[in-house]
Amino acid sequence: DSGVTQTPKHLITATGQRVTLRCSPRSGDLSVYWYQQSLDQGLQFLIQYYNGEERAKGNILERFSAQQFPDLHSELNLSSLELGDSALYFCASSQSTSGYNEQFFGPGTRLTVL
Amino acid sequence: DQQVKQNSPSLSVQEGRISILNCDYTNSMFDYFLWYKKYPAEGPTFLISISSIKDKNEDGRFTVFLNKSAKHLSLHIVPSQPGDSAVYFCAASTFGAGNMLTFGGGTRLMVKP
Repeated sequence: DSGVTQTPKHLITATGQRVTLRCSPRSGDLSVYWYQQSLDQGLQFLIQYYNGEERAKGNILERFSAQQFPDLHSELNLSSLELGDSALYFCASSQSTSGYNEQFFGPGTRLTVL
Repeated sequence: DQQVKQNSPSLSVQEGRISILNCDYTNSMFDYFLWYKKYPAEGPTFLISISSIKDKNEDGRFTVFLNKSAKHLSLHIVPSQPGDSAVYFCAASTFGAGNMLTFGGGTRLMVKP
């Protein structure tokens, strides 16, 4: 158990809908990262937050957004969903935003768009 | 453009023998490298890391080697055990660049009893 929690574990929805994925980082970790793992691709970095502020953006679509709240949990919002958004979405956390520190991953949320 | 590549999608090894997983990168700004192990239906689990100032880091049965001139790293598992069967991901990051990880595509390791 990494100490990172993600809900829900599975999510099935229809095209055009909007969903919210939730992540709670490990105790003491200030930085949260979101990654997407599609069937035909490896893990792709989406976005990073540190202590409530956005720090880095990767290959995140404009239809996707995220935020980190004062209690440090984070939410990833996916809107106008398309079939191609079906994937595993992982959240990870680390102590800081720089330096050599590993990221600890949650169990993921499997999103299926029908 | 894949900046981190794992060219072997799968590897099969006999129990007790050495497993060697390879990873190549193209971005010379990467200075911190990590290996993660992933079982089905679970998130990646951190295994071992190495910074670019070292060429070797060891932790129990796991050793990571870094060859900066060749932009290549490898993970050695000795001795391999059936419980090591999983998908292994190589990842890289740049100090001070937000710590975001760039992952390779993964190698599925199968350790046969």
